[in-house]
Amino acid sequence: DTAVSQTPKYLVTQMGNDKSIKCEQNLGHDTMYWYKQDSKKFLKIMFSYNNKELIINETVPNRFSPKSPDKAHLNLHINSLELGDSAVYFCASSPPGGSYEQYFGPGTRLTVT
Amino acid sequence: AQRVTQPEKLLSVFKGAPVELKCNYSYSGSPELFWYVQYSRQRLQLLLRHISRESIKGFTADLNKGETSFHLKKPFAQEEDSAMYYCAPDTGRRALTFGSGTRLQVQP
Repeated sequence: DTAVSQTPKYLVTQMGNDKSIKCEQNLGHDTMYWYKQDSKKFLKIMFSYNNKELIINETVPNRFSPKSPDKAHLNLHINSLELGDSAVYFCASSPPGGSYEQYFGPGTRLTVT
Repeated sequence: AQRVTQPEKLLSVFKGAPVELKCNYSYSGSPELFWYVQYSRQRLQLLLRHISRESIKGFTADLNKGETSFHLKKPFAQEEDSAMYYCAPDTGRRALTFGSGTRLQVQP
């Protein structure tokens, strides 16, 4: 199956912990993204990588650190989790050549207790 | 400030009624505009883009540069259209700026 996949699908953890969410795409895309969807369904860009290079870094706390080991992967590591980090995190990718259509992963629902 | 506005959080219509989900943007230049849809328990997916001028699942969206709007329309709503709809301009950063979304409920 060609798609954007994320693991885990659900993540429940306590405040102060460090956790990672992984994203992989096998669509041959060169740009990957992380979006955060809050409880009110607002969807906001967090980071974007193009060919492993960070190109968008919105005003996100330093506790969030993306890592792109290769074009097909973009992981999100979160340190010292806070209650306000609870959200659904979506990974997405877009193809090269200027098309900005984005393909989304299924989302990771993070709950911080 | 550059932004996209979807004024309705919830739009409830009966099956067979016309639907219009509003989207207004305030970006300089000519952003590329998209509508994305998120059905219950499914991932966000592209519905249509203004450049292609196509109709998907009976939906159309016309870019009105004068009014800076990109409203999504369908003449006859179906129950399976119930979902969250997001208007999303791309402002040249190769990332989408999503509106706050409109939940469409189509009642039988």
